[in-house]
Amino acid sequence: QVQLQESGPGLVKPSGTLSLTCAVSGGSISNSNWWSWVRQPPGKGLEWIGEIFHSGSTHYKTSLKSRVTISLDKSKNQFSLKLRSVTAADTAVYYCAINRGNNAFDIWGQGTMVTVSS
Amino acid sequence: QSVLTQPPSVSAAPGQKVTISCSGSSSNIGNNYVSWYQQLPGTAPKLLIYENNKRPSGIPDRFSGSKSGTSATLGITGLQTGDEADYYCETWDSSLSVGVFGGGTKLTVL
Repeated sequence: QVQLQESGPGLVKPSGTLSLTCAVSGGSISNSNWWSWVRQPPGKGLEWIGEIFHSGSTHYKTSLKSRVTISLDKSKNQFSLKLRSVTAADTAVYYCAINRGNNAFDIWGQGTMVTVSS
Repeated sequence: QSVLTQPPSVSAAPGQKVTISCSGSSSNIGNNYVSWYQQLPGTAPKLLIYENNKRPSGIPDRFSGSKSGTSATLGITGLQTGDEADYYCETWDSSLSVGVFGGGTKLTVL
């Protein structure tokens, strides 16, 4: 049973970098999956951020492309999200999720709240 | 403003049926699979429907999905109070090469 667990700072200063990690257990990060990040601002809907394939190919939300990087760490069986130059608009619950080839996010982490504030 | 359009809210009585629509375009729903998620308050989303109309193991057949042209629909029969949640559609947009979610629909079981 594959499980995901997000971790990272809950508070980031404006103009700083948001860095989150998603630890994968019960499965290998090298499997042919799309490893994804989704966020949800308080009281709002889900927003797709981006994804990375096991080969390293990436897709990013157009409006975030200049600020975001998703990467794999096969040695630690985890993947990461970095979002630079954050503002209060980046305050959200951040989820990691997997698309295991069924064109859907079938496994989700529990989510981690990140607040951008000085 | 979401690329996929969902009604903000729907409601129905226990035991009744409800449908939630998701409208897009030829670059997203029209040429890609649609998935549906249920998000109970304070929890992570849960996959209900994938590839337009397939249910993952453990999802009751009260939940169904369909797609026609550039629109998709989630149906829920035999409504229960435990079905009160936010529901989201999702698909791939081939023109933008990005994933897109609908704005979400809040289901109230009266």
